[in-house]
Amino acid sequence: NAGVTQTPKFQVLKTGQSMTLQCAQDMNHEYMSWYRQDPGMGLRLIHYSVGAGITDQGEVPNGYNVSRSTTEDFPLRLLSAAPSQTSVYFCASSYSLDRALSPLHFGNGTRLTVT
Amino acid sequence: DQQVKQNSPSLSVQEGRISILNCDYTNSMFDYFLWYKKYPAEGPTFLISISSIKDKNEDGRFTVFLNKSAKHLSLHIVPSQPGDSAVYFCAASAGGGGADGLTFGKGTHLIIQP
Repeated sequence: NAGVTQTPKFQVLKTGQSMTLQCAQDMNHEYMSWYRQDPGMGLRLIHYSVGAGITDQGEVPNGYNVSRSTTEDFPLRLLSAAPSQTSVYFCASSYSLDRALSPLHFGNGTRLTVT
Repeated sequence: DQQVKQNSPSLSVQEGRISILNCDYTNSMFDYFLWYKKYPAEGPTFLISISSIKDKNEDGRFTVFLNKSAKHLSLHIVPSQPGDSAVYFCAASAGGGGADGLTFGKGTHLIIQP
C-alpha cells in the first residue's frame, strides 16, 4: 500500500550508541516531519523538511539530526542515544503545507528504548 | 505550558450512544483544527478538521464543533461503534501554513462498551 513506511518497528539501544530511523514515502509529498510521542503527552515535532535539501528544527530538536537528499526519504539520526530519547517516533508527510488542503499522513511508528 | 488541552484521558461510552470528546486551546493564533484517531501500534490517521471561520463541520457520523470565544472544540460521534475505540488527538495549527507542524493535545482514549 502507498503511504509512509518507517523502519525498524522496534529498537533497543545502549546509552551512547547511534542509529538512524528510516522514513520513506511514495506519495511524492514535499513536506515531511518527525514527531515523538511520550506517555501522557501529545506528539511533539522534532524536525521537518519542506523539500529536498531543506530541513528545519521543530519543538524538540536536541540530540537529533536530519537530512533530506531525496523527496522520498527523511531519515532521523540519533548521534549519541540517551535514556530521555526513549519514545515512539512517528514520521509524517503531506503534499502541501496548508493543513486545510493536506492533512498529515503518519507512518506506524518506531518504538525506541534506550537503556 | 500546554496550548492544546484534552482534559479527559479516557472516556467510556455505550455502543450506539453519542461520544463527545473535548479539546481546549489557549493560542489565539490557531486557525485550523484537526482530529486524529490512533489505534495501538499504528500511526495517527486524519479524521476530520475545521477552519476557524466555521463553527461546525460534519462528515458522516463525525461532527466537530468550534466555539472560538471559548477556545473550545468538540468531536461528536453518533452513533458510537466498537471500531471507534481508539485514542483521539486534537491538533491545531496557526497561520494557515503548517511548516512548523501541528500542536497536539495529549489524547483521549475512547472505549466503546458493547
